[in-house]
Amino acid sequence: GQQVMQIPQYQHVQEGEDFTTYCNSSTTLSNIQWYKQRPGGHPVFLIQLVKSGEVKKQKRLTFQFGEAKKNSSLHITATQTTDVGTYFCAGRNNDMRFGAGTRLTVKP
Amino acid sequence: GAVVSQHPSRVICKSGTSVKIECRSLDFQATTMFWYRQFPKQSLMLMATSNEGSKATYEQGVEKDKFLINHASLTLSTLTVTSAHPEDSSFYICSARTDRANWETQYFGPGTRLLVL
Repeated sequence: GQQVMQIPQYQHVQEGEDFTTYCNSSTTLSNIQWYKQRPGGHPVFLIQLVKSGEVKKQKRLTFQFGEAKKNSSLHITATQTTDVGTYFCAGRNNDMRFGAGTRLTVKP
Repeated sequence: GAVVSQHPSRVICKSGTSVKIECRSLDFQATTMFWYRQFPKQSLMLMATSNEGSKATYEQGVEKDKFLINHASLTLSTLTVTSAHPEDSSFYICSARTDRANWETQYFGPGTRLLVL
């Protein structure tokens, strides 16, 4: 069945460093979404990518959808302590599958 | 900002009983609501999507007779876990969307922790 793999599982960075999390699907996706969940909080929708090769930016966050629509990445430039949390991708083929998430911690 | 509430926040029940969880959009009308499940320190799993006034669409592997979803109004959706068993213990989260064409209008509730003894 469809699987969405997300790496790394954990990432610890110094404040100001960049951060990237990657998602890979075993099947071609119709779209991919990204969410953020702060520790103890509920998820927050970040973005949806639909088109092959699509790149979207939200301030310091850059989201990419691969040409084959099987992979995606979220890159944060110059991390801040407010970026702490777990970032999930969710890809849809016939159904929606979430990646396991990447837990980001930022050292001030 | 848009607020989504869930009730109860926690519930403990005996095996074999049914539990109803409510999801309400407090200050907006939600054309679509979603139900998720999250295990401790794990990822989310989308269970179903419900549009007001129509039957819910369940994701593969989710038993529709086990997890009954009703979206009777634009501000309320309910998830009923029928004949609950210990393996149904989990964190159930709902989200509500105001615009079917715009995912950026999706807002999550605080979640309901269910423990089945």
